[in-house]
Amino acid sequence: ETGVTQTPRHLVMGMTNKKSLKCEQHLGHNAMYWYKQSAKKPLELMFVYSLEERVENNSVPSRFSPECPNSSHLFLHLHTLQPEDSALYLCASSQDTGLAYEQYFGPGTRLTVT
Amino acid sequence: AQSVTQPDIHITVSEGASLELRCNYSYGATPYLFWYVQSPGQGLQLLLKYFSGDTLVQGIKGFEAEFKRSQSSFNLRKPSVHWSDAAEYFCAIRLTGNQFYFGTGTSLTVIP
Repeated sequence: ETGVTQTPRHLVMGMTNKKSLKCEQHLGHNAMYWYKQSAKKPLELMFVYSLEERVENNSVPSRFSPECPNSSHLFLHLHTLQPEDSALYLCASSQDTGLAYEQYFGPGTRLTVT
Repeated sequence: AQSVTQPDIHITVSEGASLELRCNYSYGATPYLFWYVQSPGQGLQLLLKYFSGDTLVQGIKGFEAEFKRSQSSFNLRKPSVHWSDAAEYFCAIRLTGNQFYFGTGTSLTVIP
C-alpha cells in the first residue's frame, strides 16, 4: 500500500449505531487530518493531529471522536449520528503542520446515516 | 471572515479548448493559495500552490495559476484541455498550519 488509505470506502449506519472510520498513511508523515465533504458545501477541516496529539478541533460535535494511536493511523469513531452527518469523510496527512507542507489525501469514506 | 469563492459551479469545455477556473478569496493579507483536483471516487490531489515570489505558478498536468493581489484572485488555467481533465476543482487558502479554507468547487465537463 502506498499513500493514504481509508477503510471502509462506503458505510451505511443507523442513527443509533457505533462505527469507526480508519485511515492509514504510508508516507512517514507526522501530521494527520480529518475533513468532511458535503455536497455543495466547502470542505470542512474537522481535526488535526501532530505527532499523535490533537492540535485542532474545529467545533466538531462530540458524536465524532477522533483517535490517533500512532503517527501512521487515524480513526474517527462515530456514535448517535444524524442524517445531516452523511458526507464523504476524507483523511489527509502531511510531513508536518507548517504552512509549506503539502497534504496528501485518501480516497475518502462515503458515509450514509439512515 | 476568511472565505474562498469559486463563482462557477459547473463549466463545460470542448477538448482542446482553453480553460480558466476562477477563484477569489477574502483575507486581510496574502494567504497561501492552492488548487486541488478531485476525480470521481478519489481524494484531492494538489495541482499547484503559491506562497510568494513569481505570481504565475506552474503545476502538474499542464496547469498554471496566476495570483493577482489587487483582485484577491488565484485563477487556474490550462491552454488545451484533455478529456482526462474532467473532474472537480477546488481552490483553497491556508492561513496557519491548521486554518484551511476551501471553495465549494467547480465541476468540469469535457466534451469531445
